[in-house]
Amino acid sequence: SQQGEEDPQALSIQEGENATMNCSYKTSINNLQWYRQNSGRGLVHLILIRSNEREKHSGRLRVTLDTSKKSSSLLITASRAADTASYFCATLRWGDDKIIFGKGTRLHILP
Amino acid sequence: AAGVIQSPRHLIKEKRETATLKCYPIPRHDTVYWYQQGPGQDPQFLISFYEKMQSDKGSIPDRFSAQQFSDYHSELNMSSLELGDSALYFCASSLWREGQPQHFGDGTRLSIL
Repeated sequence: SQQGEEDPQALSIQEGENATMNCSYKTSINNLQWYRQNSGRGLVHLILIRSNEREKHSGRLRVTLDTSKKSSSLLITASRAADTASYFCATLRWGDDKIIFGKGTRLHILP
Repeated sequence: AAGVIQSPRHLIKEKRETATLKCYPIPRHDTVYWYQQGPGQDPQFLISFYEKMQSDKGSIPDRFSAQQFSDYHSELNMSSLELGDSALYFCASSLWREGQPQHFGDGTRLSIL
């Protein structure tokens, strides 16, 4: 069954605003990763947060992980038109080597 | 820096034909993963290889097979193609260490007529 569920499914915001996307999962995980996908292109790894970490930053990205609620959030600050893409969370379970993707959030940054 | 290379980028086939997709991982990466992404869908894991041996298997149809060669490149072979096989097929590579991120290629877009 689907490991990751994301919300919202789609998000439109004005350039310069912050965008927040959420991901929930079902089983215990080793780590959670966020990927970006531009239309018809490959997935680009953004950030990885391990199960013993609560928050991580990378540039304009901030990721939180709450293992008690089995949820994560991705915050993109000061959004730009180039941030328009689909964002997927993906989880790695203990003992697995494959990651399981959620359904993704389509982010549209309005000029 | 070198990335994951997939070929071909686009492939058009007819029903019941066969197709072979190729993946060249990032140098020194020893693990390869294959994913299928239908229109508007999330990527679905198909199969993975570590050091030329199958390491995990997902929702890969019996009509599909894959292997990893001695130079670490991988091929996904698809037979008796069906309309529902139309999708983007991604390959990713990583180092076989727990929690290493996967690096994806740009995918092969397979269209079945």
